[in-house]
Parts: sequence; C-alpha cells; structure tokens
Amino acid sequence: KAGVTQTPRYLIKTRGQQVTLSCSPISGHRSVSWYQQTPGQGLQFLFEYFSETQRNKGNFPGRFSGRQFSNSRSEMNVSTLELGDSALYLCASSQGETFGNTIYFGEGSWLTVV
Amino acid sequence: QQQVKQSPQSLIVQKGGISIINCAYENTAFDYFPWYQQFPGKGPALLIAIRPDVSEKKEGRFTISFNKSAKQFSLHIMDSQPGDSATYFCAASMTGNQFYFGTGTSLTVIP
Repeated sequence: KAGVTQTPRYLIKTRGQQVTLSCSPISGHRSVSWYQQTPGQGLQFLFEYFSETQRNKGNFPGRFSGRQFSNSRSEMNVSTLELGDSALYLCASSQGETFGNTIYFGEGSWLTVV
Repeated sequence: QQQVKQSPQSLIVQKGGISIINCAYENTAFDYFPWYQQFPGKGPALLIAIRPDVSEKKEGRFTISFNKSAKQFSLHIMDSQPGDSATYFCAASMTGNQFYFGTGTSLTVIP
C-alpha cells in the first residue's frame, strides 16, 4: 500500500507570494492533517480534515488554509508568505472514523521563503 | 505553552546500551501516546504507541512505560544500534486527531 505522498518536495518562494502544497493520503484513509515543523517550534498542528470538512484547527493565522477533496486528497495554502513560514510542512493521514487513530506522515514539503 | 515536555534534548549512547527518553504531560484528557522516529530528510514514522489503560507496551527492542498518576511516559530502546540514530518525538492526542508533540530528542548511538 502506498504511503502518504506530498508534492512538491522542495520549493522556494518570495516573501508576499502564496503557495499551495498537495497531499495524497494512504488509500482508504479519510482524515488528513497538516503540521508545520521548524527547529525552534518543533511539530505544530495546523488543521485536520475529514470527509471534506475541517474538523479541527490549530493556532495559526488565517493566512494558512486548507481543503479536502472528495477523494480525500488535501491541499494547504499559505498566502502572503513571511520569512517565518519557512519550514517543513508535513501531511499525515489516518482512517479517521474514530478519534485517536494512528497518523502516518508523508515525507513533507520543504518551503523556503526568501 | 508546551503541552508535552520531552527530555533530554540530545542523547549519546554506546552500541548495545539502553536509550531512555522521557515525556511528561499535564492534560488528563490525552488518551493516546505515540512515539515517532524521524531520520534527516524524512517524515516522522510511527514507532510504538500506548493508551493510558496499559502501563507498559513492548515491541521488539522498543518499550513504552506509562505512569498515569505521574502523567509521564518514556521510551526505552534496548540494545541500541547505530541505525537507531535519529530524532525521536513523543506525542499525545485527545478527541479530534490533534496531536501535541514533544520537542524531540536527537539520539546518537556510537559504534
């Protein structure tokens, strides 16, 4: 069974631009969550989607948004990029029907804002 | 506010030794406690997980010890190998599939 797939793996953006990251969950998984990983803040929860609905949201500004499609694939968008948004963005999927499921991470998208 | 506190930040162990990483939490609503292993350039991979109704869980060389009253849990890696050198994260979750992660422990196993 294929794992969580994230694209693109690496990207460089200029401050003020926007970026869209994509995530394909493990087949059969309906929950997708996003995390930001930085050396200073560690792994921080952005949001979680289940059946195309945002079920939970972390403490990030509104510039960070996401969505989930009917095939469970998800995208996250960051608008008006700031230097501090440089991070590894990780997508994780789980079966999601009940809470507290194991989440499985992709390899992440490395975003550098210059 | 860090919901899950992890220590030590870094750990150096001789090959064959025992690596011990500790985590503590405050929120008694947490009901699922996984450990993840992350190699450079890779996403975190689930290592082992435990629920609070169990005090210990063992999978191969990896053991989680859980102390509900102290609100602490730890990862023990027995017979540590150089291939175990990685960053380890503890985590905790409650309803909502939102996971709170510790700050990570960089483990180096010296041959």
